[in-house]
Amino acid sequence: DTAVSQTPKYLVTQMGNDKSIKCEQNLGHDTMYWYKQDSKKFLKIMFSYNNKELIINETVPNRFSPKSPDKAHLNLHINSLELGDSAVYFCASSQMGEYAQYFGPGTRLTVL
Amino acid sequence: AQSVTQPDIHITVSEGASLELRCNYSYGATPYLFWYVQSPGQGLQLLLKYFSGDTLVQGIKGFEAEFKRSQSSFNLRKPSVHWSDAAEYFCAVARLYNNNDMRFGAGTRLTVKP
Repeated sequence: DTAVSQTPKYLVTQMGNDKSIKCEQNLGHDTMYWYKQDSKKFLKIMFSYNNKELIINETVPNRFSPKSPDKAHLNLHINSLELGDSAVYFCASSQMGEYAQYFGPGTRLTVL
Repeated sequence: AQSVTQPDIHITVSEGASLELRCNYSYGATPYLFWYVQSPGQGLQLLLKYFSGDTLVQGIKGFEAEFKRSQSSFNLRKPSVHWSDAAEYFCAVARLYNNNDMRFGAGTRLTVKP
C-alpha cells in the first residue's frame, strides 16, 4: 500500500520532446512537492502546491509546469526537454503544519 | 534563509561499529530538523525529526539524533551499524511556519565493510 507513488519509474526520451510524470499520495496530505536530484545527489525543491496555491522555485525554467487535478495528485509536465533536465525527480507530500515530508520512489529521467 | 551542511561526503564503517553522521544548520530561529535515508535506487525515507522538547530524538531502524543549539548541530548516531544501513543520508531543515521551504544537505554516503 504505497503512500506516495510515481509513474513512470524510468523515462528515456529525446531532446525537444514533451513528457509528464505522475504523482499520487494516499496519505490525505494537503501539500505536495516536486524535487530534482542531480547526479551528485543534491536535492532541490522545484515546486510546492497547497490548496491550489503554487509556490515556484524561481530558478525552475518555465518549461516545467506542475498540474494538480485534485489534492491527491500533482503531475509534472516538462516541455522541450533538454540534456540538463536529466535527473531523478521526486514527488513528496506533507500535511500543513507537520513539516515532515514523505517521498515517492523517484522517476529517473534521461534525455538523449 | 536556512541552510544545512553535511561535512562528510563519504564515510566507511565496519559492520557492528558505531556511527555518527554530522549535520550543521544555519537558521536564526528554532529550526525543524530531519534526517532522511535514501537506499540505492529508492526514494527518501524519514528516519527522525526534531521540532522541540527533548534534544535527543529516537527514530526508526535504531537511529537517534541529538540537537545541540550551542553548536548548531543535529548529528545522527547508531550504536551498531548493520550492512543494510549502507545508503545516502540527508539532513534537512525547515523554517518555522513555512512548510514549503525545506533545505537539504548534500548528503553523506555510508559504506559498511563486512
